[in-house]
Amino acid sequence: GDSVTQMEGPVTLSEEAFLTINCTYTATGYPSLFWYVQYPGEGLQLLLKATKADDKGSNKGFEATYRKETTSFHLEKGSVQVSDSAVYFCALRVSYNFNKFYFGSGTKLNVKP
Amino acid sequence: EAQVTQNPRYLITVTGKKLTVTCSQNMNHEYMSWYRQDPGLGLRQIYYSMNVEVTDKGDVPEGYKVSRKEKRNFPLILESPSPNQTSLYFCASMGGTATHSGNTIYFGEGSWLTVV
Repeated sequence: GDSVTQMEGPVTLSEEAFLTINCTYTATGYPSLFWYVQYPGEGLQLLLKATKADDKGSNKGFEATYRKETTSFHLEKGSVQVSDSAVYFCALRVSYNFNKFYFGSGTKLNVKP
Repeated sequence: EAQVTQNPRYLITVTGKKLTVTCSQNMNHEYMSWYRQDPGLGLRQIYYSMNVEVTDKGDVPEGYKVSRKEKRNFPLILESPSPNQTSLYFCASMGGTATHSGNTIYFGEGSWLTVV
């Protein structure tokens, strides 16, 4: 079936460190991929997305590239800030069922000054 | 401002006492959905609605009801809440053509529900 697997957290980094949060997917149809961010006490917000293979989504210094050959959509940022502390969710939509988003279990990021 | 509004944000209730969590969106979206978020499980879809008077089950519909009488509102009803429904609930809406792969969903701020 369709699913998303992302690395477990929490991930703790110092400010200005490099961030990678791994996300891999399984899709029976043609996928679109998303990263959402949830700041404390808030709902999920779209961070970035990619809708076809080799697309790179980017926003606020975060990037993720849709890799069909490795079925991955890893989130990266070159230099994290304390304000990036949040929970990050990878999500998938597939072409045959646009009604549904499949979410990963979320990865909590803690950035220390 | 475009938003999805849920109420209440926090609620403690007792087993068996019916409750309703309201959801309203001001973006004229056709698609709306409810999710619950539990530790280690991510978000799981409860119900969704493609348009007024059109609703369908998601992955975990047991113990919940929904209705879609108006485009902007999509309330979640717990007829007889039980402790296993203690969770964080999110309402969401999505605009544009549902079949467009890049359309994203907009979430409310969440409703913390505790059933004792």
